[in-house]
Amino acid sequence: DAKTTQPPSMDCAEGRAANLPCNHSTISGNEYVYWYRQIHSQGPQYIIHGLKNNETNEMASLIITEDRKSSTLILPHATLRDTAVYYCIVGFSGNTGKLIFGQGTTLQVKP
Amino acid sequence: DGGITQSPKYLFRKEGQNVTLSCEQNLNHDAMYWYRQDPGQGLRLIYYSQIVNDFQKGDIAEGYSVSREKKESFPLTVTSAQKNPTAFYLCASSIRTGFERYGYTFGSGTRLTVV
Repeated sequence: DAKTTQPPSMDCAEGRAANLPCNHSTISGNEYVYWYRQIHSQGPQYIIHGLKNNETNEMASLIITEDRKSSTLILPHATLRDTAVYYCIVGFSGNTGKLIFGQGTTLQVKP
Repeated sequence: DGGITQSPKYLFRKEGQNVTLSCEQNLNHDAMYWYRQDPGQGLRLIYYSQIVNDFQKGDIAEGYSVSREKKESFPLTVTSAQKNPTAFYLCASSIRTGFERYGYTFGSGTRLTVV
């Protein structure tokens, strides 16, 4: 299973862009990169995912490097409500559909 | 609106008792999953099911049991054999065909406390 490495914690000022990095150097060609976030005591919420190209939706942008070994989730204008644990997940384990969650990055947005 | 519902939100159990956590989805998803989360930790997979009447053990299945009699439902039983059952339990679902393009939908979780 492809593994991901994320910093355990980050701070961001309210209104500024939050850039959350993720390393996934063992990603295989058909594995997607997913980002979820979990606000305390709630179920994880899907944010965005991508395969090769950069992606953008109403919540965030996902930048994937050309060699696909790393990616960055960008929250363009962070608010206090964006304080959460952010999980970067790569692919699915075999054909089972299992998602392997790491420890994630705790993002603290400060006023 | 389609979604995935877990109940109850909070559950208390006496030591030595079995308890069943409910997970229901109306998304017409084929696959369903149970994860466990301990304080400050990531999610660990307990069991998963890709189709009705079939399920597989995850990484920490000992002390747990599941059934998948209906597509919409995937209940999790925490048995007395589970040594440390106090945790936050999350249920998720996904489509089976082409699931890599769509990811998971999660429920809101059940917090189980052994008293």
